[in-house]
Amino acid sequence: AQSVSQHNHHVILSEAASLELGCNYSYGGTVNLFWYVQYPGQHLQLLLKYFSGDPLVKGIKGFEAEFIKSKFSFNLRKPSVQWSDTAEYFCAVKSSSNTGKLIFGQGTTLQVKP
Amino acid sequence: EAGVTQSPTHLIKTRGQQATLRCSPISGHTSVYWYQQALGLGLQFLLWYDEGEERNRGNFPPRFSGRQFPNYSSELNVNALELEDSALYLCASSFDFGATGELFFGEGSRLTVL
Repeated sequence: AQSVSQHNHHVILSEAASLELGCNYSYGGTVNLFWYVQYPGQHLQLLLKYFSGDPLVKGIKGFEAEFIKSKFSFNLRKPSVQWSDTAEYFCAVKSSSNTGKLIFGQGTTLQVKP
Repeated sequence: EAGVTQSPTHLIKTRGQQATLRCSPISGHTSVYWYQQALGLGLQFLLWYDEGEERNRGNFPPRFSGRQFPNYSSELNVNALELEDSALYLCASSFDFGATGELFFGEGSRLTVL
């Protein structure tokens, strides 16, 4: 069965610090990978996604993620976080076949101190 | 353009009762997805409806059911409520999930079972 594991449940950083959130998935076939974000009081929204091609993908607000197939990983990074990045971040994976199922990790709460 | 709307925002029930949650997708989206977000468990896939048919379901008992109406809106029914059903229930819709993998989420319905 597919599963997604996020290494950190709660991360606290100061503004301008660098961010890396770990994500590993378990699935033997071809996958598509995603990071979703939920800002306080808002709904979940897509941050970035990887389908194919360049394993380094760029998303909104300066975020990027790198797909490392050999490590089954899709870590999220940002060189310099801002207070407004305080949110909950979810890694997700779907099979390349359309089962309609997006499997989410448990989420990482990021708190950025001004 | 209106986003995904869910009702009610909050619902309080007692054990053994039934709960009905409703969702209206973004105009033009034919697929609706239901997720359960329980504390500390991330988002768990519940159901996928497309063109009025149930296409896939997650690992939940049969007392979780739903339907999709001709206007693509959907409802989720939870029968014989148990305490552990207390969670945020998220509805999402998509235009072409198989190609894009992007889900558009509502703000959720919080169900509390006493």
